[in-house]
Amino acid sequence: NAGVTQTPKFRILKIGQSMTLQCTQDMNHNYMYWYRQDPGMGLKLIYYSVGAGITDKGEVPNGYNVSRSTTEDFPLRLELAAPSQTSVYFCASSSHHGLAGTYEQYFGPGTRLTVT
Amino acid sequence: EDKVVQSPLSLVVHEGDTVTLNCSYEVTNFRSLLWYKQEKKAPTFLFMLTSSGIEKKSGRLSSILDKKELFSILNITATQTGDSAVYLCAVVPGTYKYIFGTGTRLKVLA
Repeated sequence: NAGVTQTPKFRILKIGQSMTLQCTQDMNHNYMYWYRQDPGMGLKLIYYSVGAGITDKGEVPNGYNVSRSTTEDFPLRLELAAPSQTSVYFCASSSHHGLAGTYEQYFGPGTRLTVT
Repeated sequence: EDKVVQSPLSLVVHEGDTVTLNCSYEVTNFRSLLWYKQEKKAPTFLFMLTSSGIEKKSGRLSSILDKKELFSILNITATQTGDSAVYLCAVVPGTYKYIFGTGTRLKVLA
């Protein structure tokens, strides 16, 4: 059971380039999330998805796009990379939110992105 | 605006000490509060506290939730160097989102 996997682990981009960060989970979770974590800071939500075909913006969506064509995959697209997007990106998933409460999130290992 | 504040920002202790980490929050329609430990990689889950489970304990770690005063504490007793990490608090309001604090960086010296 691999859990949540992310690729690549590291990437250096030049300003204006584009790239896609891949995220896959094998736990059949409906809920998936993308966060960024800047040095010394907590996690900021970029986008999230509550199921295949459904996505919504988080706190810091500008400069990013997502899609969710399958339950397993939730790629994050960076268009026209900027130095402000230098960060560590984490993908996470959770089984669901029910009326009974919340379920823990499982995190991928992260992608360290540098834009120069 | 939903907000989660953790204190202190950083802490240095010696092995064997007891530490208390704080998490206060202001959110609409509180559902639950989660604690995570983050070493040099992804956060790993420690505890979840809800209105029906306001105290949790696992080994040397314990956590309580005060829903009236809107805060939680994470206690670590008899600290070890392996406890060195960033401890993150996240609160779930009545949405699908998890609101994270900035974390407390704990360093335990041998």
